[in-house]
Amino acid sequence: GAVVSQHPSWVICKSGTSVKIECRSLDFQATTMFWYRQFPKQSLMLMATSNEGSKATYEQGVEKDKFLINHASLTLSTLTVTSAHPEDSSFYICSAGGRVESSPLHFGNGTRLTVT
Amino acid sequence: AQSVAQPEDQVNVAEGNPLTVKCTYSVSGNPYLFWYVQYPNRGLQFLLKYITGDNLVKGSYGFEAEFNKSQTSFHLKKPSALVSDSALYFCAVSPRSYNTDKLIFGTGTRLQVFP
Repeated sequence: GAVVSQHPSWVICKSGTSVKIECRSLDFQATTMFWYRQFPKQSLMLMATSNEGSKATYEQGVEKDKFLINHASLTLSTLTVTSAHPEDSSFYICSAGGRVESSPLHFGNGTRLTVT
Repeated sequence: AQSVAQPEDQVNVAEGNPLTVKCTYSVSGNPYLFWYVQYPNRGLQFLLKYITGDNLVKGSYGFEAEFNKSQTSFHLKKPSALVSDSALYFCAVSPRSYNTDKLIFGTGTRLQVFP
């Protein structure tokens, strides 16, 4: 079964509003979570690395004030897209690691965000 | 700079035929290598990984991959393709860790298996 749960799977919002996406590790403690963005027919772009109890590390070119990341517990990280605009429409995917040594990163099923 | 290359945007193969999806990487040191598969509007599913040891790695759904250090390649293979294998495949590398570090992804290869 799924070890990383991402919610919602899809969301439609109006321009100017904020949207929160949750990423949960279901049966393990994820010390690190990663947020990716995927454009149509393109690869995954790492947005930020989320570490429990500390500030997220953002990749170059990603606006930290627009994409707020909170990793308040070892099982939950959230990505909030603030003041969303149509160009923020994309597929957002989280991943989590740190389960056991032999286990690679596990990915959520992604969230399709559409900003109208 | 560290990078992963998947030279083919799309691979077409007839059902029952062998398939190969190519991947080369440019990473210093001894990287950890992965293959993931993505179905439409879904996240990524782990297929297999290479950490150390035998160069031929076997993974889920009958897939395998061969690590070639001299050619810095990690091609994904399957002896007999199924229509249900049609999906988007990503090669990825992690420079330092296989369970806690970020992954560097290739651009993806769309596999289309025809009946």
